[in-house]
Amino acid sequence: ELKVEQNPLFLSMQEGKNYTIYCNYSTTSDRLYWYRQDPGKSLESLFVLLSNGAVKQEGRLMASLDTKARLSTLHITAAVHDLSATYFCAVDAGSGTYKYIFGTGTRLKVLA
Amino acid sequence: DAGVTQSPTHLIKTRGQQVTLRCSPISGHKSVSWYQQVLGQGPQFIFQYYEKEERGRGNFPDRFSARQFPNYSSELNVNALLLGDSALYLCASSPTLTNEQFFGPGTRLTVL
Repeated sequence: ELKVEQNPLFLSMQEGKNYTIYCNYSTTSDRLYWYRQDPGKSLESLFVLLSNGAVKQEGRLMASLDTKARLSTLHITAAVHDLSATYFCAVDAGSGTYKYIFGTGTRLKVLA
Repeated sequence: DAGVTQSPTHLIKTRGQQVTLRCSPISGHKSVSWYQQVLGQGPQFIFQYYEKEERGRGNFPDRFSARQFPNYSSELNVNALLLGDSALYLCASSPTLTNEQFFGPGTRLTVL
């Protein structure tokens, strides 16, 4: 059964610093999604990664996918307070199961 | 264009009661999925429907059921509510089974 792990679970960082969130998954998949969730809110789509080596960037966030290593990263550059949220990766389980398996989430707090 | 809509926004029930949650997909989307998100965890897949047929089911008891209507809207029913059913219930729609899923605002269910 597909398992998705994120680390770290909690991340407290100073404004202006860089950091990376890691998403590991246990079985083959070539579709991975990153979401942002603010407290009490729904999921906001950040990135859709559909192939090995895919890299996408939006503002201070950059996501990449290595399907051979079963690893995706979400890199934060020069963090600002507005990036404080919980970030989830989700892997398309594929193989006819048509469901997303979500990671545990990384709660990010950017300190001014 | 309207996104995924869900109703009600919030709901309070007592143990043993039954609840029905509703979801309207994005216009043109034929697939609807349901997820349960317990506080502090990632969303867990419950069901996926496509063209009014169940196409996927997660590890949830038979107290959980769903259906999709000819207009592609969907209902999630939960019988014999338990305290542990308290969660944010998210609906997601996609054009087909395998496209990216777009999430609605969720229904917050509290079971007392």
